[in-house]
Amino acid sequence: EAGVTQSPTHLIKTRGQQATLRCSPISGHTSVYWYQQALGLGLQFLLWYDEGEERNRGNFPPRFSGRQFPNYSSELNVNALELEDSALYLCASSLWGRPGTEAFFGQGTRLTVV
Amino acid sequence: QKEVEQDPGPLSVPEGAIVSLNCTYSNSAFQYFMWYRQYSRKGPELLMYTYSSGNKEDGRFTAQVDKSSKYISLFIRDSQPSDSATYLCAMSLGNYGGSQGNLIFGKGTKLSVKP
Repeated sequence: EAGVTQSPTHLIKTRGQQATLRCSPISGHTSVYWYQQALGLGLQFLLWYDEGEERNRGNFPPRFSGRQFPNYSSELNVNALELEDSALYLCASSLWGRPGTEAFFGQGTRLTVV
Repeated sequence: QKEVEQDPGPLSVPEGAIVSLNCTYSNSAFQYFMWYRQYSRKGPELLMYTYSSGNKEDGRFTAQVDKSSKYISLFIRDSQPSDSATYLCAMSLGNYGGSQGNLIFGKGTKLSVKP
């Protein structure tokens, strides 16, 4: 069974540009979570989508946004990139009705802003 | 006070040692507790999941939750060099309003098991 897949693996952008990161959840999972892992800061919760709706968002500015498609895959968009957005962006998925439990992570997208 | 506190280490032990990793938390409403292992430049891998207080054992790993002390632990018996990684604790409120689905992580403890 395929796990959570993320693309691209690496992404280099210039300050002020936009970045789009993609995530495909485990088959049968309807919830998708996005986390940012910056050096020294641990995993910070960004966004949670379930059944196509945004259910919760973390303490991040509105230039971090996303969506979930009918096939439950998800996209994270970061507008007006800043140098401090450089981080590993992780996507996780879980079954609906299992709130915050047994979330399985992808390998991440390493975003570098120069 | 941060919601979840975890000693970042690094922690270095000889092969075969028993490893104890710990987290403390401040929110008594947390219901679900998890431990993840993260190898360098990889995504976190779920190791253990526990609901409420108690112990759970899986092979060489034992997870303990003490809700009265707001303290969770992960024990690794007969540690191996392949256990060298960063261990992250995580917890969730569960079915509580808008926080449903939101995992709160500790910063992780870096473990090195020497042959």
